[in-house]
Formats: sequence, structure tokens, C-alpha cells
Amino acid sequence: EAGVAQSPRYKIIEKRQSVAFWCNPISGHATLYWYQQILGQGPKLLIQFQNNGVVDDSQLPKDRFSAERLKGVDSTLKIQPAKLEDSAVYLCASTLQAGGNQETQYFGPGTRLLVL
Amino acid sequence: GDSVTQMEGPVTLSEEAFLTINCTYTATGYPSLFWYVQYPGEGLQLLLKATKADDKGSNKGFEATYRKETTSFHLEKGSVQVSDSAVYFCALSDQNRGSTLGRLYFGRGTQLTVWP
Repeated sequence: EAGVAQSPRYKIIEKRQSVAFWCNPISGHATLYWYQQILGQGPKLLIQFQNNGVVDDSQLPKDRFSAERLKGVDSTLKIQPAKLEDSAVYLCASTLQAGGNQETQYFGPGTRLLVL
Repeated sequence: GDSVTQMEGPVTLSEEAFLTINCTYTATGYPSLFWYVQYPGEGLQLLLKATKADDKGSNKGFEATYRKETTSFHLEKGSVQVSDSAVYFCALSDQNRGSTLGRLYFGRGTQLTVWP
């Protein structure tokens, strides 16, 4: 079974530029999460999708971050314009269905973003 | 709000030494508890989990017991190997509370280095 795919793996941009990350979850997984992991910290949830709808985006800085999952499969996370403090690893995770005791989130390898 | 506190690293051990990484949590009700591991250059992988009090999760020689009375989920291994060198994250999920969100709250991570 293929895992969660993410691209690009690395990205370097200058502040005020825009950047986009792509995620393809495990086939059949209805729930998709984007996390931000700043160096030395644990991942923090940015946004959660259930199929093509947003379940929770309360932690997403909406003035500069946006995300979509138009067909309920792959997803794109965008930052525009980027700030220095956005330098982090952006992780995508998916699970078959959110909720329930047995659900496990499967993580992609992440996209490492450096903003100069 | 929900949160996880992990012992700070880095932790450096010799091969075959005993490992303990402390984790305590704050949550409403009875969350599910997890340990994730991140090997160099790879994504987060689920190591083990426990979904109710007194449950013991185990995998690859690692164990952790869900202790409600002390709100803890300490990770242990009797004899570590060089291949166990990685970053370990303790996490909790609200999925047990009937929430459909299933979001994960992570600790800061503990870097483990095992020397031969």
C-alpha cells in the first residue's frame, strides 16, 4: 500500500514570496490533515479536511495561509506572502475516517520550507 | 486545553541500556495516547498507542502504559539498539470523546542517540 505522498521535499524562498505544497493521501482515506512542525517543536494542526470539506481550520493563519481539497483526494496548502517565521516542516497526514478508537494517522515525509 | 509535556532531550545511551522517556498529558476526559517515532530523513511513524486507562501499547520492544491516575504515558525499552536512534513524540487525540475531529496534540519530541 502506497503511503502519503508530499512534494516538494524541500523549498527555499524569500520572504513575501508565495509557495504551495501538495499532498496525496493514502487511497480511500477520507480525512486529511496539514500540520506545521517548527524546529524543536512537535507538529501543530493547521487544518483538517473530511472528504472535500473543511472540518477545522481554527489554527490556520487565514491572512496568509490557504488550503483546498477540491475533489476530496489530494490537497494543496499555500502560503502567500511568506514570512520568516513560516520556516518549518509541513506535514500531511491521512486517516480512513476521523473519530473512533482505532483510527491511526499516517504521515507523509513532509516538505521542509526555509524562508530567507 | 489539551496538551502533552515530554521530557527534554537529547538522550544519549549506550547500546543495550534501559530507556525511559517521560510523557504527561492534560486533557478533558479520556483521550487516546500515542508514541510516534521520526527516523532521520523520514516521516512520522506510529510506534504504539493506548486507547483507555491501564492499556499497555507495545511494539518493537517498546512499551507504554496509559496511567490515568498520574496522567502519564511513559515510553520504555529494556535494551536499546543503535537503530533506535530517532526523535520520539508523545501525542494525544480527542477521538475518544465522541469527537469526529481526531486531531493530534504533540509534545516537543525527544531526540534519542544510541552509541555502539
